[in-house]
Amino acid sequence: QQPVQSPQAVILREGEDAVINCSSSKALYSVHWYRQKHGEAPVFLMILLKGGEQKGHDKISASFNEKKQQSSLYLTASQLSYSGTYFCGTESGGSNYKLTFGKGTLLTVNP
Amino acid sequence: DVKVTQSSRYLVKRTGEKVFLECVQDMDHENMFWYRQDPGLGLRLIYFSYDVKMKEKGDIPEGYSVSREKKERFSLILESASTNQTSMYLCASSSGGAGEQYFGPGTRLTVT
Repeated sequence: QQPVQSPQAVILREGEDAVINCSSSKALYSVHWYRQKHGEAPVFLMILLKGGEQKGHDKISASFNEKKQQSSLYLTASQLSYSGTYFCGTESGGSNYKLTFGKGTLLTVNP
Repeated sequence: DVKVTQSSRYLVKRTGEKVFLECVQDMDHENMFWYRQDPGLGLRLIYFSYDVKMKEKGDIPEGYSVSREKKERFSLILESASTNQTSMYLCASSSGGAGEQYFGPGTRLTVT
């Protein structure tokens, strides 16, 4: 079953912040985040492993709450280059590294 | 630089044809994956392989098969293409463990 991402779409002005959520009904081993720009392949952003760690990548960070089976991606002081579709991919234990992706969140950053 | 290449960017086939989509990676990755991407549905896993000659069904394997005879190459086969298999097909690879997946550029397949 695909994880649920929210919101489905968000429009920002440059410099604003956004949060994208990813929620699963299964116990999770890890959560991956990817960004796909229009007409391009998805590109890896970060992995969060079981243990409640938080990771950062420039002004993009994420958290993973394994008890709630949820992850959130935080984009601060958004830039035009952040525009794209963001996908979370979840890995459940014993899945042989198989990821199940959400349907994506379309982020548009306007000047 | 990791590179995942796919045999075609665009492909047009007729209903009932056998279709081969090829994927090659150059990083000696153990794991390889085939996804299809449809508007509003995200990325859905068709099949994956974690070793040569090993394969596992993903979430939507019906109508597809795969072949992995060499570590660097993973093929997706549509035995008898149907119009509902018109989609963007993405191949990806990753090293062992919960590693990041590297995606190819995709093949947009149209079945008429």
